[in-house]
Amino acid sequence: EDQVTQSPEALRLQEGESSSLNCSYTVSGLRGLFWYRQDPGKGPEFLFTLYSAGEEKEKERLKATLTKKESFLHITAPKPEDSATYLCAVHNSNSGYALNFGKGTSLLVTP
Amino acid sequence: NAGVTQTPKFQVLKTGQSMTLQCAQDMNHNSMYWYRQDPGMGLRLIYYSASEGTTDKGEVPNGYNVSRLNKREFSLRLESAAPSQTSVYFCASSDRVETFGSGTRLTVV
Repeated sequence: EDQVTQSPEALRLQEGESSSLNCSYTVSGLRGLFWYRQDPGKGPEFLFTLYSAGEEKEKERLKATLTKKESFLHITAPKPEDSATYLCAVHNSNSGYALNFGKGTSLLVTP
Repeated sequence: NAGVTQTPKFQVLKTGQSMTLQCAQDMNHNSMYWYRQDPGMGLRLIYYSASEGTTDKGEVPNGYNVSRLNKREFSLRLESAAPSQTSVYFCASSDRVETFGSGTRLTVV
């Protein structure tokens, strides 16, 4: 059964304090690992897709990396506007291309 | 460019009442999905439609029905609402990346 586990559940950072979020996954055949950002009261917003081990993608202060068992979302010198819940997901092998989500990491960046 | 539009944004139902959540996308995507999001549970798939004319059950389909009305529209129906269906419901559509709507916050009392 596909499983996605995110850690930590919550993270509080000072502005400028870099850190990483972890996503561990178990799938029968990886067809893509996805990172989304969700702000309170809104739907998830797409950030990155990674398809193979060793792949990296960057967007502003965010960099996503992928190994055969986990993905990391690195946040460099975060700002308060980076505060959000970050969701990791993989394609569900039993439901077409639907996503199987982790429970998310709630990030708070304080000034 | 609207993307995925969900209506209504908020709804309060009494136990046993029925309602339909509407979803429409303007990106010409074949696949559409309904998820629910509960505290501590994450997003869970209710139903999906891989193409116009097809629908399939996801992880938590009990108590729900869906209709893929045409390529643009995918509705979710609660025939007899229960307090356990209190949740935030998200519709999504995709080619290879899912785009989500802004959600419907449903409370069943």
